[in-house]
Order: sequence, then structure tokens, then C-alpha cells
Amino acid sequence: DQQVKQNSPSLSVQEGRISILNCDYTNSMFDYFLWYKKYPAEGPTFLISISSIKDKNEDGRFTVFLNKSAKHLSLHIVPSQPGDSAVYFCAASVGKAAGNKLTFGGGTRVLVKP
Amino acid sequence: DAGVTQSPTHLIKTRGQHVTLRCSPISGHKSVSWYQQVLGQGPQFIFQYYEKEERGRGNFPDRFSARQFPNYSSELNVNALLLGDSALYLCASSYTNPREGGYGYTFGSGTRLTVV
Repeated sequence: DQQVKQNSPSLSVQEGRISILNCDYTNSMFDYFLWYKKYPAEGPTFLISISSIKDKNEDGRFTVFLNKSAKHLSLHIVPSQPGDSAVYFCAASVGKAAGNKLTFGGGTRVLVKP
Repeated sequence: DAGVTQSPTHLIKTRGQHVTLRCSPISGHKSVSWYQQVLGQGPQFIFQYYEKEERGRGNFPDRFSARQFPNYSSELNVNALLLGDSALYLCASSYTNPREGGYGYTFGSGTRLTVV
């Protein structure tokens, strides 16, 4: 039973354009959401997070949107750069205490073309 | 400033053998978690330890065990290895994200375990 789903396994975008990655969840207890980027042979790197009391959080080129009623969140990357080519994981947890279990989606592979 | 370090980076074991994977968290981080990432999937939670106590366990068989030491480093042990245990094993230590008031994990680069 996948509680966090990323339905697009891959995404190709032109450099300078917007990348939009989507994530859906089923567990209504989730109240903290994170996005990670992963390069081959490296561990996931934290990008941005959002708590359920907000519907938007921005950090530089990265913006995460949360729609609680739809149990949906998205990550926007503007402008996309070739170095953004990686696998992106959406993750969710119940509560914001350090070390809480993260439930990950299956990932979306992003390719940014020069 | 050292990040999360894991050893070894790669390991090949035979079915039925035992393996121990090691993790050193970032200095000052007291929580260590272990995740298994099978190729093509997202990481799956195995264990979380905080102050040397197990605080959470994922849906993994008893062949998987872990412990945390007084210096907050951790070991993951897997007994009676199966082919399906082949995966990238990730260790993460936790910090508080001051901007969001929540937390984030810093992951190590992982140990790639291949069972043959």
C-alpha cells in the first residue's frame, strides 16, 4: 500500500523552462512534507520542506505547493538548469520531530536538456 | 565539516551470510535512521534510533537489527542474507530545520550491498 506516490517516473525539460514534479499521498495524518534530490552513487539531498499549516514555501529556484484537500503537493523548479538533472523524491511524515519516519514516493527522474 | 559517513561503500555477500553496515552521524546529531533503497524505488524506512534507544521500526523481518552506540554512531545488521536484500542502504542523521520549524535528514552516500 503506497501511501506516497509519484506518478510520473520521468520528466524531460528544456534548460531555462519550468520543471513541475507532482506527488500524491493517501495518509491524512501526514503533516510534514519534504523533497529530496538524488544523484547516482550519492545519498538523497534535502531540497525544501513544507508543513501542513502552509500551502506554499519558496527557497530560491524551488517552490513547493501543498493542496491538503486534494492530498497533493508539487515542486516547481524555475528556471531549470542542467545540474538539476537527477531523481527527485517526495517524502512525508507524521509530526515534525527530528528523526520521524519518512515515507517516500518512488521518485521522478528529471532530465534538463541544454 | 564531516557529513554522515557510511562504511563500507560497496559489499558483496553470499546468500545466508551475515552483514554489518556502519554509520557515523553528523556531530551533534543524536538521531540516526536506516533506509533501504531497492533499484527503481524510493527509500524504505527500516529503523530509527535516538539516544541509543530504538524509536521506530519499519516493516522488515527480524533478520534486520540495529543498535546505536554512546557516540551516536550506529550499526545495521542483517542475518541470513537473501538475494532480495540487495539494495542501497542509507543512513541519515536528523537536524532541526530552523526555517520551517521542522526537521530534515542528512543522508550518507549509502552502502551498496549485493547478495549473490
